[in-house]
Amino acid sequence: GESVGLHLPTLSVQEGDNSIINCAYSNSASDYFIWYKQESGKGPQFIIDIRSNMDKRQGQRVTVLLNKTVKHLSLQIAATQPGDSAVYFCADQIGNQFYFGTGTSLTVIP
Amino acid sequence: DAEITQSPRHKITETGRQVTLACHQTWNHNNMFWYRQDLGHGLRLIHYSYGVQDTNKGEVSDGYSVSRSNTEDLPLTLESAASSQTSVYFCASSPGIRRAEQFFGPGTRLTVL
Repeated sequence: GESVGLHLPTLSVQEGDNSIINCAYSNSASDYFIWYKQESGKGPQFIIDIRSNMDKRQGQRVTVLLNKTVKHLSLQIAATQPGDSAVYFCADQIGNQFYFGTGTSLTVIP
Repeated sequence: DAEITQSPRHKITETGRQVTLACHQTWNHNNMFWYRQDLGHGLRLIHYSYGVQDTNKGEVSDGYSVSRSNTEDLPLTLESAASSQTSVYFCASSPGIRRAEQFFGPGTRLTVL
């Protein structure tokens, strides 16, 4: 069954502000995590991933933080832009299977 | 460019009919997956395959079947469509290695009347 969830179903931010989207997981066997972005009418698109032996990973305008002690994952988006409006969800891998959270809908206010 | 495609993008069918959704990937990935996405749920795994002639049941496999006769394709069949199978279906693929992302297709919106 699912081992990940998301804290907030919706999030609104002002353009230019930073966004933080949170995710909790329950299975300590999870060893790989991915953040996906899904725009309306499209398939999920990979944003960034992190392995369980790391606690931080940075990409272009995005940072993922992993706290294994409290089983918490967050996605930070710097200088949020209108094009960032989408649903974001995390996924964790246990063995060969992925388990997906329900998503946070991010709305960027111009 | 390598890609993953799904067809049809939209389908309306009637209860009891057999429906097949196509998924085709050109990455030569070993692993392929079918998910359904419904409001209030994360993506839920229906069936998956780790290679030709390999198929496995996922979390919500009842009423669905798949076959893998080649690397590129994993068609999903609804043997007798039910209204509860109205959903958006996503196909995904990944290389056959651990800790590798899944690449998703654009989805098929299926309505069963």
